[in-house]
Amino acid sequence: KAGVTQTPRYLIKTRGQQVTLSCSPISGHRSVSWYQQTPGQGLQFLFEYFSETQRNKGNFPGRFSGRQFSNSRSEMNVSTLELGDSALYLCASSPEATGPNYGYTFGSGTRLTVV
Amino acid sequence: GENVEQHPSTLSVQEGDSAVIKCTYSDSASNYFPWYKQELGKRPQLIIDIRSNVGEKKDQRIAVTLNKTAKHFSLHITETQPEDSAVYFCAASKGSNYQLIWGAGTKLIIKP
Repeated sequence: KAGVTQTPRYLIKTRGQQVTLSCSPISGHRSVSWYQQTPGQGLQFLFEYFSETQRNKGNFPGRFSGRQFSNSRSEMNVSTLELGDSALYLCASSPEATGPNYGYTFGSGTRLTVV
Repeated sequence: GENVEQHPSTLSVQEGDSAVIKCTYSDSASNYFPWYKQELGKRPQLIIDIRSNVGEKKDQRIAVTLNKTAKHFSLHITETQPEDSAVYFCAASKGSNYQLIWGAGTKLIIKP
């Protein structure tokens, strides 16, 4: 059974640019959540999508957005990149409608560096 | 809003000893409490979870206890081994339509 796949694994962008990250959940999982993790920091919740709808949202500025497709794949977009956006971005999928309450499976993450 | 506090932020124990990490949550409606382990450079992985209708759950060397009255839950690791070195995160949730609220993490160091 394939795990959660995130692409790309590494990305270097320039301040002011925009970036799109992709996450393919485990087959059958319909809930996808996104997190930002900076060095030495915890997991900062960005948003969760279920059945193509944003179900929960964290406290990030509007430059951070996401969407989910009918096949449950999800993308997140960050516009007007800032140096502080440099981080590991993790997505996690969960089965059915239970959200995170039956355990997330995390992807390996996309490490974004903004220069 | 909901808050989860995790202590200590760093824990250093001798190999073979036990380690205990504690989390306190604020929302009494929380009913699901998972623990995740993140090894250096790797993804977080669920290691154990507990629901509010259970007071304790054990899986080999790890166990989680829940005190609903005091609103805290703890991770216990016995007979620690070098491979237990990692950052451990606790979290709490009050239902499938709600996000997980995470603790700040505990860096566990196992000294040989």
